[in-house]
Amino acid sequence: EVQLVESGGGLVKPGGSLRLSCAASGFTFNNYAMNWVRQAPGKGLEWVSSITHSSSHTYYADSVKGRFAISRDNAENSLFLQMNNLRADDSALYFCARETSGDFDYWGQGTLVTVSS
Amino acid sequence: QAGLTQPPSVSKDSRQTATLTCTGNSNNVGYQGASWLQQHQGHPPKLLSYKNNDRPSGVSERFSASRSGNTASLTITGLQPEDEADYYCVAWDTSLSGKVFGGGTKLTVL
Repeated sequence: EVQLVESGGGLVKPGGSLRLSCAASGFTFNNYAMNWVRQAPGKGLEWVSSITHSSSHTYYADSVKGRFAISRDNAENSLFLQMNNLRADDSALYFCARETSGDFDYWGQGTLVTVSS
Repeated sequence: QAGLTQPPSVSKDSRQTATLTCTGNSNNVGYQGASWLQQHQGHPPKLLSYKNNDRPSGVSERFSASRSGNTASLTITGLQPEDEADYYCVAWDTSLSGKVFGGGTKLTVL
């Protein structure tokens, strides 16, 4: 069974940093691209970042470019999102999602990030 | 990041058919199509349709997707109370080198 479990969310002050993790199991992690998608309270889904299976390519939404960094450890079946210089509008539930041929086929339950002073 | 356009809400009677639309441009929906996700309140999204319009295993045949030009559509037949949810389309955008979501459609089953 495919499982994605996010962690690392919490309350952080504006300008602060957080590192999110996503532990994957139930599939061959290093065969799949992975993504972070966020959802602000009561709002729609927003794609944040993608990383290819071998980490050769990474992609970012304009809203996080230069502040967030996606990475992965295929030996540990883990995906990460380093978030720096956080702003209030980064507050959201952050999901990790597996990507198969361009489609988000499995999602975690999400980890909540709140940016507030 | 410009998104795809979805109607904010659609209401239909139980057992009727709902068609949800997702409009983009030649860089996204028109390029490779769009996939569809269903999200019930308090739950993560669930893939309903691949961007090639195929259904993942376990998704009801009542859900079918199609595309015409730059507009993708999701048709739900025989609406049931459990179909009440938010529906999102998502596509790769070649001009942005990233994914773009629609704003979501809240489907209400009366």
